[in-house]
Amino acid sequence: AQSVTQLDSQVPVFEEAPVELRCNYSSSVSVYLFWYVQYPNQGLQLLLKYLSGSTLVESINGFEAEFNKSQTSFHLRKPSVHISDTAEYFCAVSDLRGFQKLVFGTGTRLLVSP
Amino acid sequence: KAGVTQTPRYLIKTRGQQVTLSCSPISGHRSVSWYQQTPGQGLQFLFEYFSETQRNKGNFPGRFSGRQFSNSRSEMNVSTLELGDSALYLCASSLDRAQETQYFGPGTRLLVL
Repeated sequence: AQSVTQLDSQVPVFEEAPVELRCNYSSSVSVYLFWYVQYPNQGLQLLLKYLSGSTLVESINGFEAEFNKSQTSFHLRKPSVHISDTAEYFCAVSDLRGFQKLVFGTGTRLLVSP
Repeated sequence: KAGVTQTPRYLIKTRGQQVTLSCSPISGHRSVSWYQQTPGQGLQFLFEYFSETQRNKGNFPGRFSGRQFSNSRSEMNVSTLELGDSALYLCASSLDRAQETQYFGPGTRLLVL
């Protein structure tokens, strides 16, 4: 079984400041790692995912995440946030041997102020 | 390509009733997964269907059921509704394997009174 921990339920930050959203996971098997974003009254959208290869993955809108196997972490970072980044961010894992079942963390609400 | 669509978007039901939610996946996607999102429990996996077969099931009571049709469209049903079933129900579609991205619909918000 897998579990995901997002320690920060809410992260307030000023516009143009850097941000890091933390994600740690626990699993007895190898997993794929994902970050999804949810804007108000919408479904989830994939930000980025780690399957294999380079441990640093990037999204098209400036976010990046680094897979750290020894620390079982997959923290999400952005060097300079915008007001439009205000949303809820979910870290998720799936068993790479299995089918389509995502195990999500509890989410981190990113609040960007001017 | 059109995205994942879910109908209806909003529903109000009373305790004891049953409800059916519908999900149309992205064209070509044969896997459909359902998730329940609540403030208390977060996002929880309900079940996944592929080629009309349930491949995986989460830890929900038997009141929650689903099915998938030959065109990959899926429905989920909740019988004997309880207040705690109030939630946002999200459907996601994808290609087959676990590394394939799941694309989520906007959800159906169910309120049980």
